[in-house]
Amino acid sequence: AQSVTQLGSHVSVSEGALVLLRCNYSSSVPPYLFWYVQYPNQGLQLLLKYTTGATLVKGINGFEAEFKKSETSFHLTKPSAHMSDAAEYFCAITTGGTSYGKLTFGQGTILTVHP
Amino acid sequence: GAGVSQSPSNKVTEKGKDVELRCDPISGHTALYWYRQSLGQGLEFLIYFQGNSAPDKSGLPSDRFSAERTGGSVSTLTIQRTQQEDSAVYLCASSFVTGNTGELFFGEGSRLTVL
Repeated sequence: AQSVTQLGSHVSVSEGALVLLRCNYSSSVPPYLFWYVQYPNQGLQLLLKYTTGATLVKGINGFEAEFKKSETSFHLTKPSAHMSDAAEYFCAITTGGTSYGKLTFGQGTILTVHP
Repeated sequence: GAGVSQSPSNKVTEKGKDVELRCDPISGHTALYWYRQSLGQGLEFLIYFQGNSAPDKSGLPSDRFSAERTGGSVSTLTIQRTQQEDSAVYLCASSFVTGNTGELFFGEGSRLTVL
């Protein structure tokens, strides 16, 4: 069984400040990890993913995340927040093979960006 | 179309009625997934199709829920005798392959309200 825990259901930052959204996972097999973003009344959009290889992954819109096996973490960061980053962010986990698209999601973190 | 299309975007129904939700995946995508997003449960996997068959329907919450896919394309999620707890946003996603490289593309969802 796998699970994902997102620490903090709401995060508020000022424009230009660092964004840090936390995600910890539990998995008995090597995980594949994802961050998705959801804007109001829209579907989910993939920000970035970790499958194998380099543990620091870069995604769209200046976001990146680092897979840390020892800490079972996959935190999402962005050096400088922009107003357009305001949205809900979901961390998700899956295993490979035919179960690849069967994602287990965290509860989500709503990011608010203040001017 | 360019993306995953879902209809209706909004559906209000009375308790006990049946509803059908439609998903039109991206052309050529062989895998199709249904997820449910609700306030209490977050994002949950419901069912996955590879072509017209459903190898994994483990997330369907009860026998009132069923889904089919025809022609390897359009899928319909049917909820019979709707209950208030069925109120949620139902998201459909598709991907080109089911292996470790397929990215899921999500539709904007069908919001179901059961009165």
